[in-house]
Formats: sequence, C-alpha cells, structure tokens
Amino acid sequence: RKEVEQDPGPFNVPEGATVAFNCTYSNSASQSFFWYRQDCRKEPKLLMSVYSSGNEDGRFTAQLNRASQYISLLIRDSKLSDSATYLCVVNGGRDSSYKLIFGSGTRLLVRP
Amino acid sequence: ETGVTQSPTHLIKTRGQQVTLRCSSQSGHNTVSWYQQALGQGPQFIFQYYREEENGRGNFPPRFSGLQFPNYSSELNVNALELDDSALYLCASSLASHPNTEAFFGQGTRLTVV
Repeated sequence: RKEVEQDPGPFNVPEGATVAFNCTYSNSASQSFFWYRQDCRKEPKLLMSVYSSGNEDGRFTAQLNRASQYISLLIRDSKLSDSATYLCVVNGGRDSSYKLIFGSGTRLLVRP
Repeated sequence: ETGVTQSPTHLIKTRGQQVTLRCSSQSGHNTVSWYQQALGQGPQFIFQYYREEENGRGNFPPRFSGLQFPNYSSELNVNALELDDSALYLCASSLASHPNTEAFFGQGTRLTVV
C-alpha cells in the first residue's frame, strides 16, 4: 500500500466549476500536511499547508481529518490557470519527520 | 523564483556511468533534501543534509550518495547508473530540519540513462 494515495485523475472541468481532490495517508504519526502544485515539467510549489481546523486561501480550501487519515482540497470557481497536477504531501512522522512523502498527484484540466 | 538553483538542467548518461548533480540552496537555508521523481509519480525522498551532515535517508541504495558544503550547497552522486535511474531529480532547501518549515524546490535536473 502506498503511504499517500490520491486519485490520479485527470479531472476535466469547465471554467467556474468547483472541484474536490481527496487523499489518504497511512502513517498515523504524520504531523504536517500540505498540498503542492506542480505544472508540467516544472518543480513542485507549495499551495497551502493543511491544519486540523481546516483552512482557506482565496478559492482554495483544505481540510484534514486525522481520525480517518484523510486530506481534501476544494477549488472553487476554477480558472484555466489552475490546470496542473496537485500533490498531497505528508511528513514522515515522529522518527522521520524530516522527509516529505508525496502522493502520485491528481491532474486537473480546466477547459474554457 | 525560489532562489534554489540546480545544475545541469538536463543530462544524458550511459548505463554504468557515474553522475554528479548540484544544488545551490536559497540564501540562509541550511537544510537540503534530494528527491527523485519518475514520470507520472510523485517525488520520492532520497536523503537530507543539515549543516553538512546526512540527517535522514530514504529507501535508495548506497550508490546514491551526497554531500553538503559549508555554504550549504549540495551534491547528489549516483554511481553505476541504471536505466531506472532516469528521472527528474529535485533539490529542496529549507531554513531548518523541521517538518513545518516550507521547502523550496529547484527546477530540477532531468537525467536520462541510455
């Protein structure tokens, strides 16, 4: 079983749509959670950290459910520029908190 | 731009050869991590250096080795290259070896082994 699992997509949505990505992680000791965005043939960039209380940054809302080991990302009013791969990321837990563990990513295509 | 630079950007090597990839961390950052990203996959942690010492290692064989220099720049060395080593190699720098510290990635080195 992969440590971080994501639906690979692609999610193909029209501009203005709301889209949700989900992710599960296996290490209950993980303490830090993130969503990264990666454009084609580019490096990953931090989109937002994810907190237990949930957090919002403009059109983006992230949620964490520690009991279910589940992380979500909601994008409202999708823009063409949101087309990218979204990577769910957790840290390695108590004994390996220094490393980031990435899911395989969910590809989003926003069409006009 | 993140301020993290990697060189070279692209590289083609033959199976069995050795390769050295380089990373200059963002100014003030003392921690560098290396990741391997195969096509269609997420980045996989190789190892991390903190203040010139290896701070942790992922599930990669010993032919993957590294260094960090006093100016916190870093090298990734891979010996006896295999075809499966073909991937994008990413370097990430951060201010400290702490899980909540944001990691900034370089643009990567795309290695092709033929």
